[in-house]
Formats: sequence, C-alpha cells, structure tokens
Amino acid sequence: GQQLNQSPQSMFIQEGEDVSMNCTSSSIFNTWLWYKQDPGEGPVLLIALYKAGELTSNGRLTAQFGITRKDSFLNISASIPSDVGIYFCAGQGDSNYQLIWGAGTKLIIKP
Amino acid sequence: EAQVTQNPRYLITVTGKKLTVTCSQNMNHEYMSWYRQDPGLGLRQIYYSMNVEVTDKGDVPEGYKVSRKEKRNFPLILESPSPNQTSLYFCASSDRGPGNYGYTFGSGTRLTVV
Repeated sequence: GQQLNQSPQSMFIQEGEDVSMNCTSSSIFNTWLWYKQDPGEGPVLLIALYKAGELTSNGRLTAQFGITRKDSFLNISASIPSDVGIYFCAGQGDSNYQLIWGAGTKLIIKP
Repeated sequence: EAQVTQNPRYLITVTGKKLTVTCSQNMNHEYMSWYRQDPGLGLRQIYYSMNVEVTDKGDVPEGYKVSRKEKRNFPLILESPSPNQTSLYFCASSDRGPGNYGYTFGSGTRLTVV
C-alpha cells in the first residue's frame, strides 16, 4: 500500500536541542496526524491537523499542515530525555476509514 | 479508564498452530483496526471494521482473519501461523473514523512464530 515519505529515519540529538521532522506525500490529504510511540507501548496521538496551513501546538511540540496539502512538519523545542521514541506521521485522504502512515522517525538523545 | 486492551502481550507459538489475539475497547467506538509493525516498515494495516459485522481488508490481510460480533471486541485470528507473521501487533479503535480524531492504540502483542 501507499506509504508516506518520512524523514529523517533517525536522529541523534543533545538534550536541549530543537528537533524537526517532516512527511511528504504524492497525493493530497485532508487530515495529518502525528503520533509518538514509547518503547514497549502503542502509538499515542500528539497533534491532529485538519486544514491546509494550520499550525498547532501541544506544549513544546508544534506541527504544521502544509499549504500544498502534501506535507506536514513536526518540531520539538528544547528536547528532554522523555522525548525519545518513534514519531509517526499519518495522513487521511478520501477514505475516512484508512490512514496512510510514514515509516517513523526514531529520536535518540545522546548521553 | 478509556483504553484498548490486547491479550496476550507476548506469545511464542509454533508454525501451523492456530491462535487468537483478543482486542477489546471500552469507549463505544464504532471503528476498529489491526496493524502489524515491523522494523523499517512502520505500521501496516491488516484488517479494519467500521461497525458490528462490517469488516474489510487492509494492506496486508493474507494469513489473517477477523470478526466483529460485538462492538467492543475485535479478535485477530491466525489460522495457520508462519514465521513471516512474527511481528508486533497493535489493535486500535476510533470514534467516527481515524481521519476525524485519530486512533487509540492498545499496548501491543509481540508474536514469535518458530
């Protein structure tokens, strides 16, 4: 099935650094979702975006729905150790019943 | 507490021995789904259900069956498991479809088929 292009695949960062990741698609989406998966757990919804150009924050996290409706970005400011995990983007197109997922960005904080 | 509960969390089985992974949600969600997660491949949908007695194939349905006889339960059945079904499985539920408010995921079932 279709998959989003999510990058980077992994990131090694220092505590306190800002983080950016993005997802792109060849088709337009009506909804963009960002999830985080902690080790040993299921993904948890962080931010949902419903409108092109929309910018939404959740604490230190900020996500944007791209103007072209084919991309989305997630930024994390001043990273802390509990930010480690895998971040997934997901998009919803014409079907309300299926999401298209990115392969994930693994965030690792250097000791 | 609103949640999706999967059982078991870990399972090791042998090739060909039928197994069922249970999934139950207490949020009265209409929509439920099963995913498998493999390294580098992200989440791939196996089956989904829009309501009781309504199910449809996802991207990787081969070798799996599901049923939705009650709104809260959505078991995943492997009639004859094979080693390529070794994976981490997630059940998820959603109110009015995942495009509206996203999914609530269970904690996962790690299956090993030897």
